[in-house]
Amino acid sequence: AQSVTQLDSQVPVFEEAPVELRCNYSSSVSVYLFWYVQYPNQGLQLLLKYLSGSTLVKGINGFEAEFNKSQTSFHLRKPSVHISDTAEYFCAVRRRANNLFFGTGTRLTVIP
Amino acid sequence: DGGITQSPKYLFRKEGQNVTLSCEQNLNHDAMYWYRQDPGQGLRLIYYSQIVNDFQKGDIAEGYSVSREKKESFPLTVTSAQKNPTAFYLCASRPPGQGWETQYFGPGTRLLVL
Repeated sequence: AQSVTQLDSQVPVFEEAPVELRCNYSSSVSVYLFWYVQYPNQGLQLLLKYLSGSTLVKGINGFEAEFNKSQTSFHLRKPSVHISDTAEYFCAVRRRANNLFFGTGTRLTVIP
Repeated sequence: DGGITQSPKYLFRKEGQNVTLSCEQNLNHDAMYWYRQDPGQGLRLIYYSQIVNDFQKGDIAEGYSVSREKKESFPLTVTSAQKNPTAFYLCASRPPGQGWETQYFGPGTRLLVL
Protein backbone atom coordinates (compact mmCIF):
# COMPACT_ATOMS: atom_id res chain seq x y z
CA ALA A 1 0.00 0.00 0.00
CA GLN A 2 1.14 3.51 -0.70
CA SER A 3 1.78 5.76 2.29
CA VAL A 4 3.90 8.68 3.42
CA THR A 5 5.72 9.38 6.66
CA GLN A 6 6.55 12.78 8.04
CA LEU A 7 8.84 12.17 10.99
CA ASP A 8 9.04 15.77 12.19
CA SER A 9 5.82 16.99 13.75
CA GLN A 10 7.27 20.44 14.50
CA VAL A 11 10.16 22.37 12.98
CA PRO A 12 11.16 25.74 14.42
CA VAL A 13 13.54 27.83 12.34
CA PHE A 14 14.81 31.39 12.44
CA GLU A 15 13.76 33.86 9.78
CA GLU A 16 15.97 33.85 6.66
CA ALA A 17 17.46 30.47 7.60
CA PRO A 18 17.08 27.46 5.30
CA VAL A 19 14.60 24.71 6.08
CA GLU A 20 14.01 21.11 5.07
CA LEU A 21 10.80 19.24 5.86
CA ARG A 22 11.18 15.51 5.50
CA CYS A 23 8.84 13.10 3.77
CA ASN A 24 9.43 9.43 3.05
CA TYR A 25 7.11 7.26 1.04
CA SER A 26 6.51 3.57 0.65
CA SER A 27 5.23 2.19 -2.56
CA SER A 28 5.86 -0.70 -4.86
CA VAL A 29 4.52 1.04 -7.91
CA SER A 30 4.95 4.36 -9.65
CA VAL A 31 4.40 7.23 -7.29
CA TYR A 32 2.92 10.65 -7.61
CA LEU A 33 3.93 12.86 -4.70
CA PHE A 34 2.69 16.22 -3.50
CA TRP A 35 3.25 18.88 -0.86
CA TYR A 36 0.44 21.02 0.49
CA VAL A 37 0.49 24.03 2.84
CA GLN A 38 -2.22 24.88 5.35
CA TYR A 39 -2.30 28.29 6.97
CA PRO A 40 -4.15 28.60 10.30
CA ASN A 41 -7.87 27.92 10.05
CA GLN A 42 -7.74 27.55 6.29
CA GLY A 43 -7.92 24.79 3.73
CA LEU A 44 -4.95 23.26 1.96
CA GLN A 45 -3.12 24.70 -1.03
CA LEU A 46 -1.05 22.64 -3.42
CA LEU A 47 2.61 23.75 -3.17
CA LEU A 48 4.15 21.44 -5.73
CA LYS A 49 3.85 18.01 -7.30
CA TYR A 50 6.00 15.29 -8.75
CA LEU A 51 4.40 13.16 -11.45
CA SER A 52 7.37 12.24 -13.64
CA GLY A 53 10.42 13.75 -15.32
CA SER A 54 12.88 15.99 -13.49
CA THR A 55 13.41 14.92 -9.91
CA LEU A 56 13.76 18.53 -8.71
CA VAL A 57 10.38 20.14 -8.57
CA LYS A 58 9.83 23.85 -7.98
CA GLY A 59 6.65 25.13 -6.42
CA ILE A 60 5.08 28.32 -5.24
CA ASN A 61 6.49 30.68 -2.60
CA GLY A 62 10.09 29.67 -3.33
CA PHE A 63 9.72 26.06 -2.18
CA GLU A 64 11.21 23.10 -4.00
CA ALA A 65 11.33 19.35 -3.44
CA GLU A 66 13.51 16.56 -4.71
CA PHE A 67 12.25 13.11 -5.57
CA ASN A 68 14.84 10.54 -4.51
CA LYS A 69 13.88 7.05 -5.59
CA SER A 70 16.80 5.27 -3.93
CA GLN A 71 16.01 6.85 -0.57
CA THR A 72 12.24 6.86 -1.15
CA SER A 73 12.13 10.48 -0.11
CA PHE A 74 10.49 13.69 -1.25
CA HIS A 75 11.85 16.35 1.10
CA LEU A 76 10.64 19.95 0.89
CA ARG A 77 13.20 22.75 1.03
CA LYS A 78 13.42 26.50 1.04
CA PRO A 79 16.75 28.37 1.15
CA SER A 80 15.47 31.31 3.20
CA VAL A 81 12.18 31.30 5.11
CA HIS A 82 9.92 34.24 5.95
CA ILE A 83 7.55 34.77 8.83
CA SER A 84 4.70 34.23 6.39
CA ASP A 85 5.86 30.64 5.81
CA THR A 86 4.63 29.69 9.28
CA ALA A 87 2.05 27.01 8.56
CA GLU A 88 1.45 23.28 8.54
CA TYR A 89 2.86 21.31 5.63
CA PHE A 90 1.51 17.99 4.42
CA CYS A 91 3.14 15.47 2.16
CA ALA A 92 0.75 13.28 0.16
CA VAL A 93 0.84 10.41 -2.31
CA ARG A 94 -1.77 9.48 -4.88
CA ARG A 95 -3.19 6.15 -3.85
CA ARG A 96 -5.01 3.96 -6.30
CA ALA A 97 -6.65 5.75 -9.17
CA ASN A 98 -8.73 8.23 -7.28
CA ASN A 99 -7.49 8.91 -3.80
CA LEU A 100 -4.82 10.78 -1.89
CA PHE A 101 -3.04 9.58 1.26
CA PHE A 102 -1.82 12.42 3.48
CA GLY A 103 1.01 12.38 5.98
CA THR A 104 0.48 13.56 9.53
CA GLY A 105 1.87 17.02 8.82
CA THR A 106 4.81 19.16 9.94
CA ARG A 107 4.22 22.43 11.69
CA LEU A 108 6.79 24.97 10.55
CA THR A 109 7.27 27.91 12.89
CA VAL A 110 9.45 30.77 11.69
CA ILE A 111 11.01 32.70 14.55
CA PRO A 112 11.73 36.40 14.05
CA ASP B 1 -15.31 35.97 -6.82
CA GLY B 2 -15.09 32.25 -7.52
CA GLY B 3 -14.36 29.87 -4.71
CA ILE B 4 -15.56 27.42 -2.13
CA THR B 5 -17.49 28.50 0.92
CA GLN B 6 -18.14 26.48 4.02
CA SER B 7 -20.52 27.44 6.74
CA PRO B 8 -20.65 27.83 9.59
CA LYS B 9 -17.05 28.41 10.66
CA TYR B 10 -17.77 26.88 14.07
CA LEU B 11 -20.56 24.44 14.86
CA PHE B 12 -21.62 23.00 18.17
CA ARG B 13 -23.47 19.74 18.49
CA LYS B 14 -25.21 18.17 21.41
CA GLU B 15 -24.96 14.47 22.06
CA GLY B 16 -27.38 12.52 19.87
CA GLN B 17 -27.97 15.34 17.39
CA ASN B 18 -27.49 15.30 13.65
CA VAL B 19 -25.81 18.36 12.18
CA THR B 20 -25.27 19.41 8.58
CA LEU B 21 -22.20 21.20 7.29
CA SER B 22 -22.61 23.31 4.19
CA CYS B 23 -20.24 23.38 1.21
CA GLU B 24 -20.92 25.53 -1.84
CA GLN B 25 -18.74 26.22 -4.89
CA ASN B 26 -19.22 28.49 -7.88
CA LEU B 27 -16.23 27.18 -9.81
CA ASN B 28 -18.33 24.90 -12.03
CA HIS B 29 -16.39 21.88 -10.77
CA ASP B 30 -17.96 18.45 -11.10
CA ALA B 31 -16.00 16.69 -8.38
CA MET B 32 -16.33 17.54 -4.70
CA TYR B 33 -14.85 16.03 -1.55
CA TRP B 34 -15.22 15.99 2.21
CA TYR B 35 -12.26 15.44 4.53
CA ARG B 36 -11.87 15.20 8.27
CA GLN B 37 -8.76 16.57 9.97
CA ASP B 38 -7.76 15.67 13.54
CA PRO B 39 -4.80 17.13 15.46
CA GLY B 40 -1.56 15.43 14.54
CA GLN B 41 -3.14 13.56 11.68
CA GLY B 42 -3.42 14.07 7.98
CA LEU B 43 -6.66 14.52 6.14
CA ARG B 44 -8.91 11.52 5.82
CA LEU B 45 -11.48 11.21 3.07
CA ILE B 46 -15.10 10.86 4.19
CA TYR B 47 -17.08 11.01 0.94
CA TYR B 48 -16.59 12.24 -2.57
CA SER B 49 -18.80 12.96 -5.55
CA GLN B 50 -17.65 12.94 -9.16
CA ILE B 51 -20.94 14.18 -10.57
CA VAL B 52 -24.39 15.34 -9.56
CA ASN B 53 -26.60 12.65 -8.02
CA ASP B 54 -23.65 10.35 -7.44
CA PHE B 55 -21.29 9.94 -4.49
CA GLN B 56 -18.87 7.37 -3.11
CA LYS B 57 -17.68 6.43 0.36
CA GLY B 58 -14.17 7.37 1.34
CA ASP B 59 -12.02 5.83 4.04
CA ILE B 60 -14.09 6.90 7.06
CA ALA B 61 -17.71 7.20 5.87
CA GLU B 62 -19.34 5.54 8.90
CA GLY B 63 -21.52 7.96 10.82
CA TYR B 64 -21.70 10.44 7.94
CA SER B 65 -24.05 11.01 5.02
CA VAL B 66 -24.00 13.29 1.99
CA SER B 67 -26.18 14.39 -0.90
CA ARG B 68 -25.38 15.91 -4.27
CA GLU B 69 -28.60 17.28 -5.73
CA LYS B 70 -26.92 20.30 -7.28
CA LYS B 71 -23.54 20.76 -8.88
CA GLU B 72 -22.76 23.70 -6.61
CA SER B 73 -23.61 22.06 -3.30
CA PHE B 74 -22.31 19.04 -1.37
CA PRO B 75 -23.62 19.10 2.21
CA LEU B 76 -22.27 16.70 4.83
CA THR B 77 -24.45 15.42 7.67
CA VAL B 78 -22.74 14.21 10.81
CA THR B 79 -25.17 11.75 12.35
CA SER B 80 -25.54 10.64 15.94
CA ALA B 81 -23.88 7.39 14.89
CA GLN B 82 -20.56 9.22 14.59
CA LYS B 83 -19.18 8.70 18.09
CA ASN B 84 -16.26 11.08 17.88
CA PRO B 85 -17.34 13.96 15.64
CA THR B 86 -15.15 16.71 17.09
CA ALA B 87 -12.79 17.65 14.26
CA PHE B 88 -12.01 20.16 11.54
CA TYR B 89 -13.97 19.41 8.36
CA LEU B 90 -12.69 20.47 4.96
CA CYS B 91 -14.58 20.51 1.70
CA ALA B 92 -12.82 20.61 -1.66
CA SER B 93 -13.63 20.61 -5.35
CA ARG B 94 -11.59 19.69 -8.42
CA PRO B 95 -11.53 21.19 -11.91
CA PRO B 96 -12.48 18.85 -14.73
CA GLY B 97 -9.57 17.14 -16.45
CA GLN B 98 -7.21 17.67 -13.49
CA GLY B 99 -5.71 14.99 -11.27
CA TRP B 100 -6.94 14.37 -7.74
CA GLU B 101 -4.08 16.46 -6.34
CA THR B 102 -5.50 19.64 -7.85
CA GLN B 103 -8.22 20.26 -5.32
CA TYR B 104 -9.43 23.65 -4.21
CA PHE B 105 -10.18 23.68 -0.50
CA GLY B 106 -12.69 25.67 1.47
CA PRO B 107 -11.79 27.38 4.76
CA GLY B 108 -13.22 24.56 6.87
CA THR B 109 -15.79 24.09 9.63
CA ARG B 110 -14.74 23.23 13.16
CA LEU B 111 -17.28 20.95 14.83
CA LEU B 112 -17.38 20.70 18.61
CA VAL B 113 -19.51 18.35 20.65
CA LEU B 114 -21.00 19.75 23.85
